[in-house]
Amino acid sequence: QSALTQPASVSGSPGQSITISCTGTSSDVGNYNLVSWYQQHPGKAPKLMIYEDVRRPSGVSNRFSGSKSGVTASLTISGLQAEDEADYYCCSYAGVTIHVLFGGGTKLTVL
Amino acid sequence: QMQVVESGGDLVKPGESLRLSCAASGFTFIDYYMSWLRQTPGKGLECISYVGPSGNTIFYADSVKGRFTVSRDNTKNSLYLQMNSLRPEDTAVYFCARTRVRGNYFDPWGQGTQVTVSS
Repeated sequence: QSALTQPASVSGSPGQSITISCTGTSSDVGNYNLVSWYQQHPGKAPKLMIYEDVRRPSGVSNRFSGSKSGVTASLTISGLQAEDEADYYCCSYAGVTIHVLFGGGTKLTVL
Repeated sequence: QMQVVESGGDLVKPGESLRLSCAASGFTFIDYYMSWLRQTPGKGLECISYVGPSGNTIFYADSVKGRFTVSRDNTKNSLYLQMNSLRPEDTAVYFCARTRVRGNYFDPWGQGTQVTVSS
């Protein structure tokens, strides 16, 4: 099964909003409410930003939100800040055999 | 503060073995599934194995099945990954992560440990 599809890069100016898409299939993203999103700064550990499609862990800024429509999940970051510049990865449960699939990652540049 | 810290990464030759360790703190280790994931520039992120709280529930990705063995020692709050018959394509940064099976997400992750397989 192929990885989830994310755009390679997105950019935005401070204060703006951006959305990163994550497209899967009816066997993964479209079949379970189990998409999670991770932020990774260079050389650092990935950090959970969204889980179960739309839930935000305590301590994560409410500028980060998740949504889903059909086989495409999205991460929206509002009020962009310089510290948001990082790589973002989506992940979806894909059944007991495969377990989870990750997207290829999206590099966010804050202009 | 919840934390996991990996160790054991190294440069090894194809066919050799390596054992990774992950020390957990700040949470009740025995209550959680734990996973090993790896990241490469070419293939991205991949969850290669997880183990349940008692060690009885285990998953391996096809890419490592039969070569890697996951284990845990709940008395030491530690997770392990025994990697045998290593191949160049196993070259990656290896992460351990606490795993929420109900929601199938990973939190927190460690900083990772580099494994390089090259002759």
